[in-house]
Amino acid sequence: SQELEQSPQSLIVQEGKNLTINCTSSKTLYGLYWYKQKYGEGLIFLMMLQKGGEEKSHEKITAKLDEKKQQSSLHITASQPSHAGIYLCGADRTTSGTYKYIFGTGTRLKVLA
Amino acid sequence: DGGITQSPKYLFRKEGQNVTLSCEQNLNHDAMYWYRQDPGQGLRLIYYSQIVNDFQKGDIAEGYSVSREKKESFPLTVTSAQKNPTAFYLCASRDILRDRGDYEQYFGPGTRLTDT
Repeated sequence: SQELEQSPQSLIVQEGKNLTINCTSSKTLYGLYWYKQKYGEGLIFLMMLQKGGEEKSHEKITAKLDEKKQQSSLHITASQPSHAGIYLCGADRTTSGTYKYIFGTGTRLKVLA
Repeated sequence: DGGITQSPKYLFRKEGQNVTLSCEQNLNHDAMYWYRQDPGQGLRLIYYSQIVNDFQKGDIAEGYSVSREKKESFPLTVTSAQKNPTAFYLCASRDILRDRGDYEQYFGPGTRLTDT
């Protein structure tokens, strides 16, 4: 099983609707990253969360990290076609001088105009 | 403009061939990474390097090789031993020695490799 589980795997919403994507870890998260990817392109960094209870917003996207630091959610308000793409969560798995990350399987979002 | 470039954008490999994917960064980052992305599986780490002339295997290194002769460059070779190489390959980098809070990885645009 994946160390980082994302849900749902895919999502189709009507333009203007709100939506939430979840990322759950089997281990404590010390650095949680959200990225967006358009099909066939690289990943664009959205936000990073580190502290339990932390919440960050960028334009219409809000990301939260729960107090126990094992779950994060990404919320999009009033979705637009430009929000379509694959959203991936990533976790920092840095240990004693080794700087590594793991990623969730991604959530594919389609926004209908 | 600082960033990461990957080439080629598309690559076709005949069975038994070795092919090399290029990754260059001008961000002065110490660490560089190669990931493979398959549908429904997210990103899986192939190799990473934190310093010139040193690199480490990731989770799926078999059938791949890398070199890090320069800080800016981290090419990935897909060898004939990799029997199922068709995937999207992403290169990334990050700054590690100067801890300014820039923990995120910066990604290149990717190379789509197809076995023919």
